[in-house]
Amino acid sequence: GAVVSQHPSWVICKSGTSVKIECRSLDFQATTMFWYRQFPKQSLMLMATSNEGSKATYEQGVEKDKFLINHASLTLSTLTVTSAHPEDSSFYICSARVEGARGNQPQHFGDGTRLSIL
Amino acid sequence: DAKTTQPTSMDCAEGRAANLPCNHSTISGNEYVYWYRQIHSQGPQYIIHGLKNNETNEMASLIITEDRKSSTLILPHATLRDTAVYYCIAAIYNQGGKLIFGQGTELSVKP
Repeated sequence: GAVVSQHPSWVICKSGTSVKIECRSLDFQATTMFWYRQFPKQSLMLMATSNEGSKATYEQGVEKDKFLINHASLTLSTLTVTSAHPEDSSFYICSARVEGARGNQPQHFGDGTRLSIL
Repeated sequence: DAKTTQPTSMDCAEGRAANLPCNHSTISGNEYVYWYRQIHSQGPQYIIHGLKNNETNEMASLIITEDRKSSTLILPHATLRDTAVYYCIAAIYNQGGKLIFGQGTELSVKP
């Protein structure tokens, strides 16, 4: 159980386009999801906390108008990279935590989306 | 969240136990110790977590010192597929708990 699915797994786009990445919790509900970014040979960097039904909370230095987050349901959060440029090329990963009746559960991660902007 | 310190890299022979240390000397009383690993080009995989007591599951054992300032993740019989970057994270478990990743330990399991 506790599967988190990301889509797409890999996307290549032209500079200036917007790209949407989906994060779904397949067998559980997630009030809170998290978005990370990882550059080559570096660790994961937390970008924002996605809250169902409310605005996302962004980490310091992350542009909220550049990285739009929507968490419209208890099983889906989306990250849209607006007007993407080559420097936005990275590995984007989401996570979610099983909550409620399942008790003390850790976060589970998706398999990531590799974004390449040409 | 408390900062953790891990060795940059470690080697382990296949079939032997891999012992990965983590220092979290500034951990607070309500912070759990979480361990994740990341195999190249994949999302992190949850391994184990604990607060005070030692924990064991089908993947690994977690040994936390009595003062909680350090811990050790033990993979009892390492295989080549255990080659990955292992992250030790100290975080508060609550509805909005964030995980802040450090640089982790790159474990190489060798034949």
